[in-house]
Amino acid sequence: KQEVTQIPAALSVPEGENLVLNCSFTDSAIYNLQWFRQDPGKGLTSLLLIQSSQREQTSGRLNASLDKSSGRSTLYIAASQPGDSATYLCAVPYQGAQKLVFGQGTRLTINP
Amino acid sequence: DGGITQSPKYLFRKEGQNVTLSCEQNLNHDAMYWYRQDPGQGLRLIYYSQIVNDFQKGDIAEGYSVSREKKESFPLTVTSAQKNPTAFYLCASSISGRELFFGEGSRLTVL
Repeated sequence: KQEVTQIPAALSVPEGENLVLNCSFTDSAIYNLQWFRQDPGKGLTSLLLIQSSQREQTSGRLNASLDKSSGRSTLYIAASQPGDSATYLCAVPYQGAQKLVFGQGTRLTINP
Repeated sequence: DGGITQSPKYLFRKEGQNVTLSCEQNLNHDAMYWYRQDPGQGLRLIYYSQIVNDFQKGDIAEGYSVSREKKESFPLTVTSAQKNPTAFYLCASSISGRELFFGEGSRLTVL
């Protein structure tokens, strides 16, 4: 059974810092890994999708890496801003890639 | 604009009532999903559908029902058999196996 863990559950940093969010998964036989952002009371917004053949994917100030062999992914946020404050979730497919299993998320607060 | 529309945003239900949450997408995606989100429990899959007129149970299907009569629509009914229906419900869609996109969610409260 695939399990996804995100540590820490919450993180608070001052504005301008670079930071890394972690995601680990137990079954390395994945097709891809997706990172999402969720603002309070809202749906999830897709940030990055990394295919299993890729090691990195970049979008603006965000960079996601994937190491299948160790069952880990990281989301790097450069030059953090207060608008980056949100909960960040990672998810991987299981049971034939038709369903995703989610981590419980990291709640990020960027202090001005 | 292309996207996923969920309605209503807020819904209140009395004990014993069935309620239906709407989900419509204009992304031409084949697959659609319903997730439930509870504090401290993350997202859990209720039902999913890969093609019209076909759907499968997810991890927590008991007390819920769905239909997929049109490609763009995947309504979820929360029946009176669901013992703890108060939650945030999220609809999503994708081209099967690819990037998943979500709606804005519907918050259901049982009075």
